[in-house]
Amino acid sequence: GAVVSQHPSRVICKSGTSVKIECRSLDFQATTMFWYRQFPKQSLMLMATSNEGSKATYEQGVEKDKFLINHASLTLSTLTVTSAHPEDSSFYICSASRSFNEKLFFGSGTQLSVL
Amino acid sequence: AQTVTQSQPEMSVQEAETVTLSCTYDTSESDYYLFWYKQPPSRQMILVIRQEAYKQQNATENRFSVNFQKAAKSFSLKISDSQLGDAAMYFCAYSLDNNDMRFGAGTRLTVKP
Repeated sequence: GAVVSQHPSRVICKSGTSVKIECRSLDFQATTMFWYRQFPKQSLMLMATSNEGSKATYEQGVEKDKFLINHASLTLSTLTVTSAHPEDSSFYICSASRSFNEKLFFGSGTQLSVL
Repeated sequence: AQTVTQSQPEMSVQEAETVTLSCTYDTSESDYYLFWYKQPPSRQMILVIRQEAYKQQNATENRFSVNFQKAAKSFSLKISDSQLGDAAMYFCAYSLDNNDMRFGAGTRLTVKP
């Protein structure tokens, strides 16, 4: 079955630094990928929709200058948390599908801890 | 805006018994998709079942079935013959296009041996 790979699975960084998270569709092309954020014991909140070859669409309240999304190819989307602060510590998950009518596949997530 | 409500933060079931998880949603659309996802301690999201709103028949996947009440905007999940491996967080989700999902707050299911 289709697989979405997310890397790294866990990252610890110092406050003020930037962190990049990668989301890859391993055996299919994904024109659209999604980025979610999940705080402990809470639900997944959609942050943005990543579109190949164009700008990402951000949800209301999500700072686009802080959470930079680049969908450079049909198999790769990256989320960069810029100038990270402790309040950015969270679990970040990406998802992708081949097409709108097909099942959505989720990455295994990235736990970000900002010290 | 579409919202998804799961009113049961925690549920418990005895192994081999049946449990029903509740979900309601709010939308003005007539065509949409509803999902139940399982998130075990690994935190990997696993699709349990999907329902297309235009289909009146309730979706079923082995021991998992839903009760979809479109007029009431209700979408409950029934787990039959519960197994220890069913213990996880369960999220109800709504999507207009099968991709852009909005999740409920989740229900933590405990299975007692």
